[in-house]
Amino acid sequence: GNSVTQMEGPVTLSEEAFLTINCTYTATGYPSLFWYVQYPGEGLQLLLKATKADDKGSNKGFEATYRKETTSFHLEKGSVQVSDSAVYFCALSGANSKLTFGKGITLSVRP
Amino acid sequence: GAVVSQHPSWVICKSGTSVKIECRSLDFQATTMFWYRQFPKQSLMLMATSNEGSKATYEQGVEKDKFLINHASLTLSTLTVTSAHPEDSSFYICSAVFAGTSGTDTQYFGPGTRLTVL
Repeated sequence: GNSVTQMEGPVTLSEEAFLTINCTYTATGYPSLFWYVQYPGEGLQLLLKATKADDKGSNKGFEATYRKETTSFHLEKGSVQVSDSAVYFCALSGANSKLTFGKGITLSVRP
Repeated sequence: GAVVSQHPSWVICKSGTSVKIECRSLDFQATTMFWYRQFPKQSLMLMATSNEGSKATYEQGVEKDKFLINHASLTLSTLTVTSAHPEDSSFYICSAVFAGTSGTDTQYFGPGTRLTVL
């Protein structure tokens, strides 16, 4: 079946540091890949997505590239801000639009 | 665009009562909505798939008689927790599927409902 593996957290960074959150997946077929962000006490917000190999999703300074050869979709940001502190979920879309989520990783950014 | 709302945002109820949670897609029609449950510091657990005009499909281990789902229209799905007990206390999140072009469906999530059963 489908699965998503995220790096273990939590991650604590200083403001303006570079961020990488690793995500790898196992899936049949050609899934779409997503990063969702969850702020405390809230639901999930779509951060970015990619629908086919070599696509790059980007939003709010975050980027992730769909790498079919390494089955990865790592999230990066060049300079994080305190407001980026949240939980980040990597996910893939399988049959019937169902999402398979990674465990999520908590990012804390210090001023 | 692609906004999903939930109501209420939080609810406290007594053990044995039933609670209804609404999920609405505000600016698009969704033939499919999903209901999730999230425990503290954990990922989302899919409970069921709600399809407009048909019965919901429940994931293994989810009691369909306890968690009643109704997808009354293309913009509204409801989850009713019947005879709620303290162990049902959780954060319930819905999502609605926005059917994009070329089959690229995307789920947009509601803000969640915090249920506390006393």
